[in-house]
Amino acid sequence: AQRVTQPEKLLSVFKGAPVELKCNYSYSGSPELFWYVQYSRQRLQLLLRHISRESIKGFTADLNKGETSFHLKKPFAQEEDSAMYYCALRELRGQNFVFGPGTRLSVLP
Amino acid sequence: NAGVTQTPKFRILKIGQSMTLQCTQDMNHNYMYWYRQDPGMGLKLIYYSVGAGITDKGEVPNGYNVSRSTTEDFPLRLELAAPSQTSVYFCASSYSGTDNEQFFGPGTRLTVL
Repeated sequence: AQRVTQPEKLLSVFKGAPVELKCNYSYSGSPELFWYVQYSRQRLQLLLRHISRESIKGFTADLNKGETSFHLKKPFAQEEDSAMYYCALRELRGQNFVFGPGTRLSVLP
Repeated sequence: NAGVTQTPKFRILKIGQSMTLQCTQDMNHNYMYWYRQDPGMGLKLIYYSVGAGITDKGEVPNGYNVSRSTTEDFPLRLELAAPSQTSVYFCASSYSGTDNEQFFGPGTRLTVL
C-alpha cells in the first residue's frame, strides 16, 4: 500500500534561514507527488506538484525516485511561510490520494 | 465563485444517530472527494466521484455512503454514528483527473459521543 511519511511534526527556523521539509513515500509504481499548504484560518491549498517543476513562493521540490523522497525546500524562509505543510501522493492514472501527517513550519522573527 | 462549501461547520452526534454532511461546488468540477482527518494524522480518502452518477471507495469507506446525483453536490452520509467517526471531514473537487489540483472546502468538525 502507498504510504507518505513526514518525519517532523514541527520545524522551527529563523527568518532568512534555509528550510527543508522532508517527505518520503513508498509506492511501487510511478506516483505523482504534491505539496499542499494550510495557512492559519485558511483552507488547504495546493502549493506545488512535481510534474510542473515550478517554484512557488520561493519553494521548490525535487522528486528523487532513488531515495523515494520529495523534500520541500526554500533558501530563505519568511514569517508568512508559517503554516502546516502536507505531502501527498497520487497513483498515476488513479484517484486515490495519500496524504502525509503534515509538518508545522514556524518561522521565527 | 464560492468554491467548495461544506455544511455544517460543527456537529455533535450521539452514538447511533445518522447525519448527512453537505458539499457543494460551483466550479463545474467533475471530480469530487471526501476525506477525514484525525488528530495528528494526514487526510484519508473516504469516497470519491468522477462525475454525476459515479462514485467509488477510497481508503476508509466503512460506515459511510455517498451519492452524486448532480455535478455540484456530493453529500456524505453517516448511518450509525460511532465514536471512531469523530474527525474533521474535508470535501474537495478538481476539474479532471489529469488536472489534479484539488480545491478544498473549509471542513466539518464532527464529534460522536
